Amino acid sequence: DAGITQSPRHKVTETGTPVTLRCHQTENHRYMYWYRQDPGHGLRLIHYSYGVKDTDKGEVSDGYSVSRSKTEDFLLTLESATSSQTSVYFCAISERGADYNEQFFGPGTRLTVL
Amino acid sequence: AQTVTQSQPEMSVQEAETVTLSCTYDTSESDYYLFWYKQPPSRQMILVIRQEAYKQQNATENRFSVNFQKAAKSFSLKISDSQLGDAAMYFCAPDQTGNQFYFGTGTSLTVIP
Repeated sequence: DAGITQSPRHKVTETGTPVTLRCHQTENHRYMYWYRQDPGHGLRLIHYSYGVKDTDKGEVSDGYSVSRSKTEDFLLTLESATSSQTSVYFCAISERGADYNEQFFGPGTRLTVL
Repeated sequence: AQTVTQSQPEMSVQEAETVTLSCTYDTSESDYYLFWYKQPPSRQMILVIRQEAYKQQNATENRFSVNFQKAAKSFSLKISDSQLGDAAMYFCAPDQTGNQFYFGTGTSLTVIP
């Protein structure tokens, strides 16, 4: 299994509070991604990173920010959490340019915003 | 955003039978990869099979195979000899835009003993 961990695995917070989710990899892959999963929507990309300090927006980036100061860590921040951000969040990594561009996923973080 | 359509929200199959999950997508690219991922109740996303668009031969991985029709932009997954452990959500993900994956909304597969 690819070495990807997410922390915390579960979090309950209140509307208006800041929240940071962490993704940590031990594979030295260049690309890292944050997705959210909601019923009826599948997985939707929030932000991704293609190197240290290199990030770009995905399909549903409003209300989220990211940072990547080291290859192994990719942080997702909800500056002021809202109930619509209640979701399961997945981190993924990939090494594009290899024989295939498969993404490897972390175990997910269930976030509830009350 | 790219469009990925999985038109079957739910499907069921008898154990040991065969089932096909459909996926269609929209792209202007000529060379790309396509993936099927499985998500069991544990929530972990697991790669089932991959296909390279420039290869005409359909990918096969044990009991899993694809029917890739590039002109029709169709990428279906066939599961043969279905097992109870195949019960899961299945997501189609064509990798079309270089850096981003777009996933379908998923098909929930139930395997009936």
